[in-house]
Order: sequence, then structure tokens, then C-alpha cells
Amino acid sequence: GDSVTQMEGPVTLSEEAFLTINCTYTATGYPSLFWYVQYPGEGLQLLLKATKADDKGSNKGFEATYRKETTSFHLEKGSVQVSDSAVYFCALSSADSWGKLQFGAGTQVVVTP
Amino acid sequence: DGGITQSPKYLFRKEGQNVTLSCEQNLNHDAMYWYRQDPGQGLRLIYYSQIVNDFQKGDIAEGYSVSREKKESFPLTVTSAQKNPTAFYLCASSNPGNTDTQYFGPGTRLTVL
Repeated sequence: GDSVTQMEGPVTLSEEAFLTINCTYTATGYPSLFWYVQYPGEGLQLLLKATKADDKGSNKGFEATYRKETTSFHLEKGSVQVSDSAVYFCALSSADSWGKLQFGAGTQVVVTP
Repeated sequence: DGGITQSPKYLFRKEGQNVTLSCEQNLNHDAMYWYRQDPGQGLRLIYYSQIVNDFQKGDIAEGYSVSREKKESFPLTVTSAQKNPTAFYLCASSNPGNTDTQYFGPGTRLTVL
């Protein structure tokens, strides 16, 4: 079945550092790929998405590129802020799943001043 | 403002009691979903509904029940049959023309005493 694997946290960074969170997936066909962010005590917010190979999703300085050849969708940000401290989830939706999402375990990111 | 509301934010229950979590959306979305989140884990799908008066079991439906009598509402009942109900519960909905992108409510934290 479909699955998503993302790097374990917590990831601790200093402000203005470069952030990478690795995400790889297993799925049949060509799934859509997502990154969601969860701030403490809140629900999830869509951060970015990509629906086909080589697409790049971007939002709020975050980027991720859909790599079919490596089945990856790594999240990057060039200069993090304290306000980026949150849990980040990678997720996929297969073409035959009618919108159902398969989530990774989440990666907690802590940015210190 | 359009969005998804969940109530209550915190809920306490004694063992052996059923409890119902509310989820309402005014986004005119056809599809709605319930997820369970445990500490350090990703989200797991409990139930989902593609249209009014129809719903399907997700990956962990045992001990839960739902109804979908109105498009705007998708309540989740946690029954006494659920062995370990303490968790954070998240409701989501999606746009029929963009079924992959799910929008989440703020969540309900259920604690069994």
C-alpha cells in the first residue's frame, strides 16, 4: 500500500539557518504530494503541494520539488525564523484514493533565536 | 469567514461513556474526513464521507461511528468499544473540484479519565 517516510525529529536550528526535511514515498501511479504544517495545539494547514513529476510547490519561502525518479518530496527553506517552529507533515494522495491522504509521522522543527 | 469548526476544544470522558465530537464546515465541500493523531505519530484516517448520507470506514474505524445527514456536518462518536480513545481528533473537508487539498479544523483533544 501507499506509504510516506519522513526524517525523524526534532530538528533544532538557529534563526536564519537552512532547513531541509526529507520525505520519500511509496505509491502506485502518480500521486499528488503535500506538505502540511501544524503549530502547537492547532489543526493542520496546507503549506504547499505538487501534482505531477518535476512540479515545484512553494509558499512562505518553503519549496519542495516532486522527484519521480527518487520518489521524494523534500521540503526546504533558505532562512528559517522562530515563527517556523512547528511540526511538518509530508502526505500523498493516490489517483484511486478519492482524496484520502496518507501521512508521514511528522517532523518537529525548533528554531532558536 | 469560511472554515471548519470543531467543538469542544477539550473534552473529558469517563471510561465506558460514549462521546460525540462536532465538526461543521461552511466551505460547501462535499467530502469530509475524521483523523486521529497520537503523540509523535502521523494522522490516521477513521472515517470519511464523499457525499451526504454516505460514509466509509478508514484505517482505524473500530470503536467509532459517524453520520452525515447534512452537507455541513460530520459528527464523530467515540464509543465505549474504543479501547484507547485518548487522542487529538482532527476533522477535514475537501472541495469537490480539488479533492486532494484537505482543509482542517482546529481539533478536539479527548482525554479519558
